[in-house]
Amino acid sequence: AQRVTQPEKLLSVFKGAPVELKCNYSYSGSPELFWYVQYSRQRLQLLLRHISRESIKGFTADLNKGETSFHLKKPFAQEEDSAMYYCALSGHRSGAGSYQLTFGKGTKLSVIP
Amino acid sequence: NAGVTQTPKFQVLKTGQSMTLQCAQDMNHEYMSWYRQDPGMGLRLIHYSVGAGITDQGEVPNGYNVSRSTTEDFPLRLLSAAPSQTSVYFCASSTGVNEQFFGPGTRLTVL
Repeated sequence: AQRVTQPEKLLSVFKGAPVELKCNYSYSGSPELFWYVQYSRQRLQLLLRHISRESIKGFTADLNKGETSFHLKKPFAQEEDSAMYYCALSGHRSGAGSYQLTFGKGTKLSVIP
Repeated sequence: NAGVTQTPKFQVLKTGQSMTLQCAQDMNHEYMSWYRQDPGMGLRLIHYSVGAGITDQGEVPNGYNVSRSTTEDFPLRLLSAAPSQTSVYFCASSTGVNEQFFGPGTRLTVL
């Protein structure tokens, strides 16, 4: 079974401080990991995916297969980063042979001015 | 492109009523999914479809039906609404393992 764990429900940091949102996963194969962001009352949107190794809005995330982690990091938090962040894993779902996303429960990031 | 659209945006139902949440996408995506979002629970997969005529159950399918008669549309039917189905419902589409595009959501309250 595939599982995504985000241990922090809420993370508060001061503006300019570093941010790390934790994500651990459980999956027997080779997963694809994503971070999605949801700003207040907006739809979810993709922030980044591990396979592209991009830096989006200053955020980066490295897949650590040994620790089964995909933590999201940003060196200097901005007020506009306040949002709900979801880590997600795309893995094979048996039956229909399709790949579906399994989400963590999310971490609410609050950046204090 | 409109992307993924959902109607209605808000809905209030009484226990036992039925209704259909509409979802449409204009990106010719094969994969479509329905999720519910509840505080502290994240997003949970209700049903999904890998193409027209093919649907399957997700993590929390009870009380919901889906059909996929066209590539564009993927409606979610609540057969007999219950207060436990009060939630925000998101539809999403993708081309497979790639990025999922989400709709704006439907906020449903069951009294």
